[in-house]
Amino acid sequence: ETGVTQTPRHLVMGMTNKKSLKCEQHLGHNAMYWYKQSAKKPLELMFVYNFKEQTENNSVPSRFSPECPNSSHLFLHLHTLQPEDSALYLCASSQAGEEVQYFGAGTRLSVL
Amino acid sequence: DQQVKQNSPSLSVQEGRISILNCDYTNSMFDYFLWYKKYPAEGPTFLISISSIKDKNEDGRFTVFLNKSAKHLSLHIVPSQPGDSAVYFCAAYYYGQNFVFGPGTRLSVLP
Repeated sequence: ETGVTQTPRHLVMGMTNKKSLKCEQHLGHNAMYWYKQSAKKPLELMFVYNFKEQTENNSVPSRFSPECPNSSHLFLHLHTLQPEDSALYLCASSQAGEEVQYFGAGTRLSVL
Repeated sequence: DQQVKQNSPSLSVQEGRISILNCDYTNSMFDYFLWYKKYPAEGPTFLISISSIKDKNEDGRFTVFLNKSAKHLSLHIVPSQPGDSAVYFCAAYYYGQNFVFGPGTRLSVLP
């Protein structure tokens, strides 16, 4: 089993749809992250959870709603997205206090 | 304004030669730096790191150099192999802050 698993790998949705991205980590880490990567731009940190508590929300629009039910799972709920939200969404995990983050393969999202 | 810059979007190198990927940063508070490698359809994977108390860190074919006064770091890969073809991201960090990533450099190693 890979360390950080993201599903689905690809998602196409209309602007009125509601969907969720899922991330699961099997590394025993206690911090999880959502990043957005748009074409030719750096990874943008969206949300951080430490010990299931959200510690960072980088001015992300409310149409993105994270959920962390336990330290192994992280969700990103999507609703009424815009075409400019089309991007690669990456989940990562780390052990709190350690610098290295481990990434999933990402969900490629297209908003029509 | 980007705090971490990788000014070369792409780089091509012949197999067996040295690849040098560059990264510049603007925030002098950064004291820990990492390089990640990303293959298509995969997530970034950690490659090598360096803290600001060092100016060089080596791991096999990979060496990272840090020049704090110039706010510049570089990743050297020698000898380069076709399997090294990927996008390389530089990331910077200091305690209490989250990582800031550069936009990446696509390396192509030609056989």
